[in-house]
Amino acid sequence: DGGITQSPKYLFRKEGQNVTLSCEQNLNHDAMYWYRQDPGQGLRLIYYSQIVNDFQKGDIAEGYSVSREKKESFPLTVTSAQKNPTAFYLCASRDRVAVNTEAFFGQGTRLTVV
Amino acid sequence: GDSVTQMEGPVTLSEEAFLTINCTYTATGYPSLFWYVQYPGEGLQLLLKATKADDKGSNKGFEATYRKETTSFHLEKGSVQVSDSAVYFCALSLRDGNNRLAFGKGNQVVVIP
Repeated sequence: DGGITQSPKYLFRKEGQNVTLSCEQNLNHDAMYWYRQDPGQGLRLIYYSQIVNDFQKGDIAEGYSVSREKKESFPLTVTSAQKNPTAFYLCASRDRVAVNTEAFFGQGTRLTVV
Repeated sequence: GDSVTQMEGPVTLSEEAFLTINCTYTATGYPSLFWYVQYPGEGLQLLLKATKADDKGSNKGFEATYRKETTSFHLEKGSVQVSDSAVYFCALSLRDGNNRLAFGKGNQVVVIP
């Protein structure tokens, strides 16, 4: 079945550590996105990529980094510079050409700082 | 900038009641509009969409009409069930080549038996 897989589902990070969240899709979509979800704040865009080896900052990119070496994969690293990383992280993908189509979301990764 | 505004606060209602969630948008172009639903601990799923003015999206008893004159895309369902309890997000996508989606803050809907 086609879809987006995020892993792990739960992740715990110690203060000062970098952690990487995985996102893989087999929908053959060019565009991929990372969102952060906090209670009462909806979804905020961290980074997005429209094509392999290219990505752009979203609204809250500070303290995060990404790479897009393969079409299928768009990992997100939460660095120690991110002061408040505890949140629910959602990855999505979308057909870049057909802009009227919807985004498909993974099941999310819940990151907690301990 | 382009944005989506949803009505404030959670919505609590009884089973078989009528549901309305308001959504208005601000956009410089002619966006496509979407409603997504999120069940506890899960990602978002597309509920319905509309791509041009006066289009009506519908799915699972939910409906929303793209109103360009009022820049709105309100979600409605005539008779809700307990299983409709979830968070609902309104979103827009511009045709500007950036491929970005902007989301509202979401509304928690709780349906009581």
